[in-house]
Amino acid sequence: AQSVTQPDIHITVSEGASLELRCNYSYGATPYLFWYVQSPGQGLQLLLKYFSGDTLVQGIKGFEAEFKRSQSSFNLRKPSVHWSDAAEYFCAVGAPFSGGYNKLIFGAGTRLAVHP
Amino acid sequence: NAGVTQTPKFQVLKTGQSMTLQCAQDMNHNSMYWYRQDPGMGLRLIYYSASEGTTDKGEVPNGYNVSRLNKREFSLRLESAAPSQTSVYFCASSRSAGDIQYFGAGTRLSVL
Repeated sequence: AQSVTQPDIHITVSEGASLELRCNYSYGATPYLFWYVQSPGQGLQLLLKYFSGDTLVQGIKGFEAEFKRSQSSFNLRKPSVHWSDAAEYFCAVGAPFSGGYNKLIFGAGTRLAVHP
Repeated sequence: NAGVTQTPKFQVLKTGQSMTLQCAQDMNHNSMYWYRQDPGMGLRLIYYSASEGTTDKGEVPNGYNVSRLNKREFSLRLESAAPSQTSVYFCASSRSAGDIQYFGAGTRLSVL
């Protein structure tokens, strides 16, 4: 069965430090991969997506992610974190469900805290 | 530029009460979804509507019903609320099934 694992429940970094959030997936074929961010009390906002092609994808707010098929990973990175990046981050994989529909399978999320 | 709008934002129910969560999108999307979010479990799909006039069960449909009222609106109904349905509910829409999903701000529901 398809699944998404985000090994880190909580991460704390200092403002200006680099960030890497890990995501591993279990899926038989080439997946559609997504990173969403959820600020407190808000819905989910798409940061970036991978469908095919270049395995390094750029997103909004200075984030990027790299798809590594050999490691079944899609880690999210940012070179310099800002205090406003404090939020919860969700990795998701798009997988066939029924009737041609691709459902999103979400990881449990990683909560990021940023120290000044 | 509203996107996906959910009402209400907060709701407290007593066990056994019923209520309907409303969702509307103004992006002319064909597909709409309802998720619930519980701590440590990410989002789980309750029901989805691939296109107007169709609805299908997701991963956790028990205790819920949905109605795709028209292309814009997709409601979620709890007929007899239970404490296990305490959660944050998100509606989402996409241009077509399998496309990028856009989320509403959520409804925080407590069942006492």
